This record gives sequence, structure tokens and C-alpha cells, in this order.
Amino acid sequence: AQSVTQLDSHVSVSEGTPVLLRCNYSSSYSPSLFWYVQHPNKGLQLLLKYTSAATLVKGINGFEAEFKKSETSFHLTKPSAHMSDAAEYFCVVKAGGTSYGKLTFGQGTILTVHP
Amino acid sequence: EPEVTQTPSHQVTQMGQEVILRCVPISNHLYFYWYRQILGQKVEFLVSFYNNEISEKSEIFDDQFSVERPDGSNFTLKIRSTKLEDSAMYFCASGFGTGNEQYFGPGTRLTVT
Repeated sequence: AQSVTQLDSHVSVSEGTPVLLRCNYSSSYSPSLFWYVQHPNKGLQLLLKYTSAATLVKGINGFEAEFKKSETSFHLTKPSAHMSDAAEYFCVVKAGGTSYGKLTFGQGTILTVHP
Repeated sequence: EPEVTQTPSHQVTQMGQEVILRCVPISNHLYFYWYRQILGQKVEFLVSFYNNEISEKSEIFDDQFSVERPDGSNFTLKIRSTKLEDSAMYFCASGFGTGNEQYFGPGTRLTVT
């Protein structure tokens, strides 16, 4: 079985400062991990994915995440926040083994960016 | 850029009524999914669909739910007799393969009164 824990339900930063959204996962198999973002009244958009290649993954809009197996973490970072980054972010793990791609979501982190 | 679309964006129905939520996945994708998010809770997997049959379903996906790909482009979720607790945002997703990322639609907000 797999699970995801997002350690912060809300994160607030000032524009231009770094962003860190924390995620820990649990998976019986080598996991595939994703970060999705949801802007208000919009669908879920894929930010980036880790699928056992490079442990540092770069995504869209300047976001990146580092897979750390020893810490079972997949934290999302961005060097400098922009107002348009304000949204809800979901850390997601994909089941391996015989699964047909079922995704397990964390509870989400709402990012607020102050001017 | 291709995208997953869903209709309607918002559906209000009375308890006990049947509803059908519609999705048009990305055209060359082979795997199709429904997820839901009850207000304030996590996004939950409901069902996956491949080769015209259900490949995996969650405990939530009981006999009240069914899915269908009636015409090669649409993918539908039917709830036969809605309950108050079915009120949620329902997301459709599609993917080319199980090892690939899933692309999500904007969701249908279902309100059962």
C-alpha cells in the first residue's frame, strides 16, 4: 500500500522568497511521485514527476523536487515565489506492482504569496 | 495542446436521482480514471478503465457507480441513486500508459440536495 503525507496544510511566503512544500511518502514498490497544482476553479495540472531517473526533477514554472529515498521525501521547491504561484499543491504517489496506475494523493498544501 | 474536458462543470441533483458525469479524455490515451474530492478531504481514486473494462476500483466504487466508454471518445461516470455523501468534485483523468502521467480535467462539482 502507498500513502502520502504533506507536512503543511498552509504555507505563506512573500513574493521573491523561496518556496518549500514538504512531502513524505510510503510505498511498497519503487514509487513514481508527482506534484500537481490546482489553481482556483481550474483542474489539476502536472508540475513535475519522478520515475526513478534523476533524483532532482525539474518541472514547469521554475519548480523542482528532490527524491530522497533514505528520508522517503519528495519536497517541492522554488527559488523565488511569484504571485501567480498561489494555488493548492498536491504530492501524489503512483502505485506500482499490478496497479493500473491508481494515484494516491496527499491532503494538499495551500500556498499563499504576499506582495 | 490537448486537454481533458468534463461536462457539466456543476450539477445539482436531488437525493435518489441518477446522474451521469461526462468526460472527453485526450484522444490517443488508453487508460481512463475517475477521482473525487469531498470538500475538505483528499482527492480519492474511484476507478480505472482500460480496454473497455474496469481494471481497478476502490472500496468507494460500489454498485451505485458505473463507468462506460460508449463511443470511443466519451468516458462517463454514472451514479444510479445519489446520496448526500456523493456531493463532491469529480475529476476525470487519462493517460497513455500506466507508467505515464495522468492528465486531469477541470472537474464536475456534484451537489446532492
